[in-house]
Amino acid sequence: EAQVTQNPRYLITVTGKKLTVTCSQNMNHEYMSWYRQDPGLGLRQIYYSMNVEVTDKGDVPEGYKVSRKEKRNFPLILESPSPNQTSLYFCASSPDIYRQGINQPQHFGDGTRLSIL
Amino acid sequence: GNSVTQMEGPVTLSEEAFLTINCTYTATGYPSLFWYVQYPGEGLQLLLKATKADDKGSNKGFEATYRKETTSFHLEKGSVQVSDSAVYFCALRGWGKFQFGAGTQVVVTP
Repeated sequence: EAQVTQNPRYLITVTGKKLTVTCSQNMNHEYMSWYRQDPGLGLRQIYYSMNVEVTDKGDVPEGYKVSRKEKRNFPLILESPSPNQTSLYFCASSPDIYRQGINQPQHFGDGTRLSIL
Repeated sequence: GNSVTQMEGPVTLSEEAFLTINCTYTATGYPSLFWYVQYPGEGLQLLLKATKADDKGSNKGFEATYRKETTSFHLEKGSVQVSDSAVYFCALRGWGKFQFGAGTQVVVTP
C-alpha cells in the first residue's frame, strides 16, 4: 500500500529536549515536505526537498532542521523545542513537482501532534 | 512573498445547495493553484489543480478556474452532499514552495 508514515503520532515533551519526527514514504517519490497546521493559519511549509540533493526552507523554518540522506526518509528535527512549536505536523511526498496532479497527488501522512510544555 | 487568502468559515449549507468558496492569491511568476480537502482526523487530499491561466480543474463535481486577471481560484460545486462536510484549503505552488490558505470549514446538513 502506498503511504507516508510518520512517527510518533503523538508526543508530549518538555522545552529544550531534542526530538525527531520521522517520515518515510514507500512510493519512490522525489519530492518531500514538512508542514505545520495551526488553527486559523492553515498549513505552513517548514522545509521541502526536491530530491536527495536539494533541500530548501519553506515559510517557517526557524527552530527546525531536516535531512534527506536517502530518498525515502525525511526526518524533522527540533534541536531545542519551545512551546510555540506545539502544533500538528504533516509530512508529504509526491513524484516530483511537475507531475503533481490528480493522478499523482502529494500524499500526506496522518500527522504528528506535538505538545511542548 | 506569495500568499493565499480564502473566505472564513464555517459555511453551513443544506444538502443539494450550491457551494462557493472564494480564494484569491498574491504571487510572482506563474504559480500552480490547488484545492485540498481535509476530513476529520485525516491528512489533506488533493481535490483539483490548475497550472496556468484559464485552466479549469475539476474532480468529484467540484470545479475551479484559474483567473489571472482577478488572481482568483474560487471553488464551486453545484449540489453538495453531507459527505462533502470537511475543511477545504486553497493553495499555490511556486517552484517547490507551497502556501496554503487558512482553510474553510464546510458543514452540510441533511
